[in-house]
Formats: sequence, structure tokens, C-alpha cells
Amino acid sequence: QVQLQESGPGLVKPSETLSLTCTVSGGSISNYYWSWIRQPPGKGLEWVGYMYYSGNTNYNPSLKSRVTISVDTSKNQFSLKLSSVTAADTAVYYCARHKGPSWFPNFQHWGQGSLVTVSS
Amino acid sequence: DIQMTQSPSTLSASVGDRVTITCRASQSISRWLAWYQQVAGKAPKLLIYDASNLESGVPSRFSGSGSGTEFTLTISSLQPDDFATYYCQQYNGYFTFGPGTKVDIK
Repeated sequence: QVQLQESGPGLVKPSETLSLTCTVSGGSISNYYWSWIRQPPGKGLEWVGYMYYSGNTNYNPSLKSRVTISVDTSKNQFSLKLSSVTAADTAVYYCARHKGPSWFPNFQHWGQGSLVTVSS
Repeated sequence: DIQMTQSPSTLSASVGDRVTITCRASQSISRWLAWYQQVAGKAPKLLIYDASNLESGVPSRFSGSGSGTEFTLTISSLQPDDFATYYCQQYNGYFTFGPGTKVDIK
């Protein structure tokens, strides 16, 4: 059974860059689509962006100018960078694997989530 | 941008009740609609994909229907594990989630 685990700093200062890594175990990162989804405390879900294992990406238009998602297939990991953060970026960040292989527009496996707080 | 709405926002029900949640899209999304269950403090869980396909391992009391702009999630007989928040999610080039429906104990 595939498992996903987010890791990274839990506190980021305003205007700095949020960086998270998702480590995939129990399966290969190849041939699947992978997404980042976030959830502000007490609020709903917001899709951040996805990537294919080959490196192709697609981002939420509202975040596109600040988001980069990249993959390291040798480590079976993919990463999220969100620049110029503000308090509005405070959220639990989930990594997720799409149902697959190949293209499925839904999220079958999720990490446990990582709370990132933006504060000075 | 496609906007998603859900109704009701909160639903109070008892074990054994039949429960229906509605999700509407601001424009047609064909059948690109999924449903998720989220228990407080946990990651969401995929229940239904492509509007009506039951995800493997999900109990058959869950069902989905609809196409175009209106979709429903039905729980035929509510069980104690089903008290949670339910989200719909669309895909039409980008992904958008509905605001959620909280199902709590009556």
C-alpha cells in the first residue's frame, strides 16, 4: 500500500519561501500524477498544483506566480515551494497521489498533512 | 473559474437515516466529479469518482449520481463512522472543491 509523508518547517516568516517535501513509500512515483492540496485551519480544501512524474506541471491560477512543484525520482520524492508567503498561506498542506496510473482527476492516496504557520 | 456549491452546509441526522448531499457546479463539468469524506484531524478519503463510481473498499451504502451541473451523494443508512464532513471536487482543467457539508449527530 502506497504511503505518503510530508516533511518541512512548521513555521515560515512572512515574505519567505515555504518548502515541503513528500516522500512516497510502498510504490514508485513513476507513471502517476501527484498533487499538493492545502486546508487553512477550520476551512475547506484548496488544490495548489499537480505534477506528472516526468516533470510536467499544472498550477492553481490563483497561486501560479508563486508555486513550483518538482520531482526527484531517484529519491521517490516530490516537493512544493511557495514564495512570498503571507498569513493567508497558513494551512495544513497535504500531498496526494491521483488515482491511476496515468490520468485520473481525483486524489486516491493522501499524506497525513503538515501544518505550516506563517508568522514572524 | 468554475465555482462549486454544496447544500446543506450542515446536516443533523441519526444512525440509520438516509442522507443526501447536493453539489452544484457553475458550469457543466460532464461527470468529472468526485466525493471525499473527511473526519476531523484526518486527511480526506476518496469515496466516489467520475460522479458515480464507488472507490474500492468504500461501503456500498455510499452512492453518487448526476452529470453536467448537479450531483448528489447518498448514504443509504447512516452509520456511526459516517459522521464527518463531505466535499465534492470538480475537474475542468483545474481542480476546485466545494465548501463542504458537515454531517453531525441529531
